[in-house]
Amino acid sequence: DTGVSQNPRHKITKRGQNVTFRCDPISEHNRLYWYRQTLGQGPEFLTYFQNEAQLEKSRLLSDRFSAERPKGSFSTLEIQRTEQGDSAMYLCASSLGDSTEAFFGQGTRLTVV
Amino acid sequence: QKEVEQDPGPLSVPEGAIVSLNCTYSNSAFQYFMWYRQYSRKGPELLMYTYSSGNKEDGRFTAQVDKSSKYISLFIRDSQPSDSATYLCAMSASSEKLVFGKGMKLTVNP
Repeated sequence: DTGVSQNPRHKITKRGQNVTFRCDPISEHNRLYWYRQTLGQGPEFLTYFQNEAQLEKSRLLSDRFSAERPKGSFSTLEIQRTEQGDSAMYLCASSLGDSTEAFFGQGTRLTVV
Repeated sequence: QKEVEQDPGPLSVPEGAIVSLNCTYSNSAFQYFMWYRQYSRKGPELLMYTYSSGNKEDGRFTAQVDKSSKYISLFIRDSQPSDSATYLCAMSASSEKLVFGKGMKLTVNP
């Protein structure tokens, strides 16, 4: 499978716990994006990387959220001290060069109980 | 006013119907326009990609962009039950972040 891969697919966590998600982009795609999608809404931009550099962060990305892309390959998104409002689908996408044709993974569904 | 407006539906049509999905936007800087299809509990799948104004056709799908009216459309001809999904419009001012509509849930009945 050469698409965008996200792990885990589902995560249930207790409020206050930390969680980390992983995204493996399409090989050779230099841009990697994180979006969040809640029920009945379209995806909302969180942050994006060009290679290993994090170039933009949305105001939605509070201090509890941190994303990394070491070596410009896979990326991780960590949420510290999770809250019930963090329950959502977290989507990763990648694109090549300056193209806006972004290809999405299957997402990680987070449920905070 | 949100940057991208999309009627969330739902929309139900019989098999074989022509489906028209639309989005309006307010940011005149948008120049890249996309349509994604999303099945339940799956990630969005890129359907159509258009740069600036004009039409683009791919099989049963046609995307139209009217920048003067800030209006984009997706037409599905000869709709099939397998087309039942949520359709999301997305747009960008540059080759960076996408701004999505809420998504329109489409059901095609056999």
